Amino acid sequence: DQQVKQNSPSLSVQEGRISILNCDYTNSMFDYFLWYKKYPAEGPTFLISISSIKDKNEDGRFTVFLNKSAKHLSLHIVPSQPGDSAVYFCAASAWGTSGSRLTFGEGTQLTVNP
Amino acid sequence: DAGVIQSPRHEVTEMGQEVTLRCKPISGHDYLFWYRQTMMRGLELLIYFNNNVPIDDSGMPEDRFSAKMPNASFSTLKIQPSEPRDSAVYFCASSLSTSGPASNEQFFGPGTRLTVL
Repeated sequence: DQQVKQNSPSLSVQEGRISILNCDYTNSMFDYFLWYKKYPAEGPTFLISISSIKDKNEDGRFTVFLNKSAKHLSLHIVPSQPGDSAVYFCAASAWGTSGSRLTFGEGTQLTVNP
Repeated sequence: DAGVIQSPRHEVTEMGQEVTLRCKPISGHDYLFWYRQTMMRGLELLIYFNNNVPIDDSGMPEDRFSAKMPNASFSTLKIQPSEPRDSAVYFCASSLSTSGPASNEQFFGPGTRLTVL
């Protein structure tokens, strides 16, 4: 039972263009969402997060959008850079019920071509 | 400032052998998580501890897997006996619960790549 799904295993974009990574969830108890970035041979690192009381959070080139009614969130990277090439994991938590536990999606491999 | 430390980084073993993965969380963190990364399911939570106490081990695949946290600075994940389908990258992560969901940020170690032949 995959409660967090990233339906696109891979995404390829040109440098300078926008990258949009998508994530869907099924558990209506989720109230906090995070994106992690993972380079080969390294552990995932935190990128950006959003609370369910917001619909947008921006940090530099990275913006996360949350559509609670659709149970959908997306990560926008603009402009994309070759150094952004990595696997991106979407994660969700139900702070009120399960505290610090995160549920991760399968990941999306982003490739930014020079 | 050391992050989460995992050892070994790579482990190759034969089917039926016992495998022990080790993790040292960030000092002061009170949560410790063990994950397994697979292509099909991404990052699967196996078990997590709070203040050295196992809270949820429902993700542990079967009785061949066990985890311990004897103190705040050390945890092990053991597979006995190991099988080829256990081949994966195993991550340890830690976090500090302060107040509210913003403390959900988990810090990951570099992972252990396990190959069972």
